[in-house]
Amino acid sequence: QAVLTQPSSLSASPGASVRLTCTLPRDIYVGTYRIYWYQQKPGSPPHYLLRYMSDSDYQQGSGVPSRFSGAKDASANAGILLISGLRSEDEADYHCMTWHSSAWVFGGGTKLTVL
Amino acid sequence: QVQLVQSGAEVKKPGASVKISCKASGYNLRDQYLHWVRQAPGQGLEWMGWINPNNGETKYAQKFEGRTTMTRYTSINTAYMEMSSLTSDDTAVYYCAREGVWFGEIWGQGTLVTVSS
Repeated sequence: QAVLTQPSSLSASPGASVRLTCTLPRDIYVGTYRIYWYQQKPGSPPHYLLRYMSDSDYQQGSGVPSRFSGAKDASANAGILLISGLRSEDEADYHCMTWHSSAWVFGGGTKLTVL
Repeated sequence: QVQLVQSGAEVKKPGASVKISCKASGYNLRDQYLHWVRQAPGQGLEWMGWINPNNGETKYAQKFEGRTTMTRYTSINTAYMEMSSLTSDDTAVYYCAREGVWFGEIWGQGTLVTVSS
């Protein structure tokens, strides 16, 4: 059972924008956590996309397009990965991660299909 | 080219141990922490622990404490992860990942460990 909750799948059309969520347990507040995002394609290791704490504490991975961005939804207690201008090559699994209780913890991953 | 190259796939019987290597090239292994992460078939990622290759200090996720050992041989720029008392639940792809500016800036290609009688 993953500590962080992600929808198992999501689909969208090319050119669209999507919002992937990573919900934290109720007893921890997303505002105090850095949320990391990774993209993983079949048969390959994960690839770092970005890290988001706030708009002033944000780090994009090297070579990661600006179409990928991070945010938080405090009302949902969730980290957000926003992907705009979807392309077929964005079809992949997306994993979120954070540091909690002296351990790195992941979500179960979201499979994004670009129809 | 900076990369991590892992050892090949393993097939083990329940109760056995497995030792996976992760060789760094293009940089000095001592310079950055190294993490181990696994992924069971069709599942998400699971952090196992890290090793500081500079001094050998380790930290394990609670789930893996006691049957997982992370080591390194800096003379050959290689780190190792050994896990004992394997069960079918340990069937997974195991990754090593470097933490530099960020966690997982470089990943190994992964090593499939299959535990089957």
